[in-house]
Amino acid sequence: GAGVSQSPRYKVAKRGQDVALRCDPISGHVSLFWYQQALGQGPEFLTYFQNEAQLDKSGLPSDRFFAERPEGSVSTLKIQRTQQEDSAVYLCASSTGQHSYNSPLHFGNGTRLTVT
Amino acid sequence: DAKTTQPNSMESNEEEPVHLPCNHSTISGTDYIHWYRQLPSQGPEYVIHGLTSNVNNRMASLAIAEDRKSSTLILHRATLRDAAVYYCILRGSGNTGKLIFGQGTTLQVKP
Repeated sequence: GAGVSQSPRYKVAKRGQDVALRCDPISGHVSLFWYQQALGQGPEFLTYFQNEAQLDKSGLPSDRFFAERPEGSVSTLKIQRTQQEDSAVYLCASSTGQHSYNSPLHFGNGTRLTVT
Repeated sequence: DAKTTQPNSMESNEEEPVHLPCNHSTISGTDYIHWYRQLPSQGPEYVIHGLTSNVNNRMASLAIAEDRKSSTLILHRATLRDAAVYYCILRGSGNTGKLIFGQGTTLQVKP
């Protein structure tokens, strides 16, 4: 069946440009997570949605980072005025949300952002 | 969130069993032990999870110590496709269900 889909797969941005990264979760999944993964590191949590509600944004590194999920399905991670330190792979994951500590997260293959 | 400790890297020969250890001495009674793996250029993939009892599925087995302060992921016959970074993660029942990743163990499988 269809998994989590992320687009674009690769994105190159000049420093100072705004970017938007899209995530299509598995249909019917209530929970949606965004992670940032720098080269050679484990993924770091950015933000969490339950349906359309953003319940945890404690991992967003600055106010240049903004995420939304207006209809409780597709989500967009927006980065304004990109900086070189934003270069990373951005991963999206979804889960059914029932018994959140138990239901596995299903990850997409990420968007690799390079800021030049 | 309680922390886990894993070796940075391990090596295995193809078709031999692999035991990947994880220490979690500060685990709380409601923390589940989850394992994910990440193949090159892919997102993490769920492997297995457990609370107290040992668990088996088609991918692997999870052996949990009686005091729950450590666990071991067992791949019964390693293949070249099992070469990946393996993450051991504690997931509490009281949070949003987010995963906090550490550095993981990089497993190399030699033919």
